Parts: sequence; structure tokens; C-alpha cells
Amino acid sequence: DTEVTQTPKHLVMGMTNKKSLKCEQHMGHRAMYWYKQKAKKPPELMFVYSYEKLSINESVPSRFSPECPNSSLLNLHLHALQPEDSALYLCASSQEAGANVLTFGAGSRLTVL
Amino acid sequence: SQQGEEDPQALSIQEGENATMNCSYKTSINNLQWYRQNSGRGLVHLILIRSNEREKHSGRLRVTLDTSKKSSSLLITASRAADTASYFCATDPQGAQKLVFGQGTRLTINP
Repeated sequence: DTEVTQTPKHLVMGMTNKKSLKCEQHMGHRAMYWYKQKAKKPPELMFVYSYEKLSINESVPSRFSPECPNSSLLNLHLHALQPEDSALYLCASSQEAGANVLTFGAGSRLTVL
Repeated sequence: SQQGEEDPQALSIQEGENATMNCSYKTSINNLQWYRQNSGRGLVHLILIRSNEREKHSGRLRVTLDTSKKSSSLLITASRAADTASYFCATDPQGAQKLVFGQGTRLTINP
């Protein structure tokens, strides 16, 4: 299995909702990442987990809450989001954290109303 | 902050022509990678070149790296319609333990 699977593909939520994005990989990678991407912009790093521990938080607002239940799963919990948080959220993994090659999922398209 | 700047921002060529994209970066790096992204989808890794390498090939792709100028180029030869995508360079500023993506080049191949 050489894929990173993200669910859901599309999500529409109100500003008072609580939802979660999920990411799964079975490549034995020990690092997992969340990126946010706005239209026609590059991906921006949000969080890095290395060996199931949060190693990088790029000063992301607390309305985004990451969780790594085990080495194969990564969640992003969303609460009280703003319309400007609408974006494509990309999960990625790599063998180790750092400058390794990233394998990306197809992304979750989030729309906040 | 973004480490890489790419040019051109957009490139439109005819099928069969070669496409060249450039990436400049600001700080010393360990390696530089290129990724492709089809519209609204995830990124796909294309090639990695280490700081002690000057040129690397993979199929129709040729990447060069000039660490003295802090720049890299990606050449796609004999372009195909399926090469239409956005292309991003990504660098790992030394000590940063993360990849930082450039602004990207949107490539359109016209049949």
C-alpha cells in the first residue's frame, strides 16, 4: 500500500459546528503532516507528528486541533472555524520527519459557511 | 514565510515542446524536491536532488541545482497534455526539519 487516504473528500460546515478530517497510511511512515492550501497558493505547513508526538505546530489557531491516535492515523479536529479557513487540507507522510520525500493524500476540500 | 520563489508563475506551451521552470531559494539547503499537483488534488513527488548534486534525470524530467546561485530548474521534455498541472519546488532550510514550498508554476500544455 503506497497511498495516503483522506476522508471526507468534501466537507461543508457552519461556524459553530465541530467536525474532523481523517488521514490514514499503511506505509510504515513515522512522520505525518497537515498542510493547508488556498487556491493558487502553495501548501502551508500546519502540524508535524513524528513517532506519534507533535513536533511542529506552525502557530496554528487553537480552533484546529490535531491528533495522532497511532502511527497510521492522523486526525484534524475542527471547531468554531471562520469562512477564511475554507481551503484544501492535505495530509502527507514520510519515512521520518524532516526533509524526506512526502507522500500526499488527495486532500479534503473544506468550506466554512 | 516562503523559502522558494518560482518563475514563471504561469507557462503555456504547445504539446511536444519543452517546458522549463525555475526556482530560487534564500537559505542553505540539504536537498531540493519538485512536486506536481493536478487541479484540486494532492501533490505528487517527482524528483529529489541533493545539495552536492548538480543535475539529475528521471524519464522526461531533468533537474539542475546551482547552490552558488541558490536556484534550480525543472525541464520537462516533449510535453504532453497530461503534464498540465502546477509544479512546486520544495526546500529544507538547514536546521528547519521541514519542507517549505515555493509559489509554484502553473503549466498548461495545449494540444
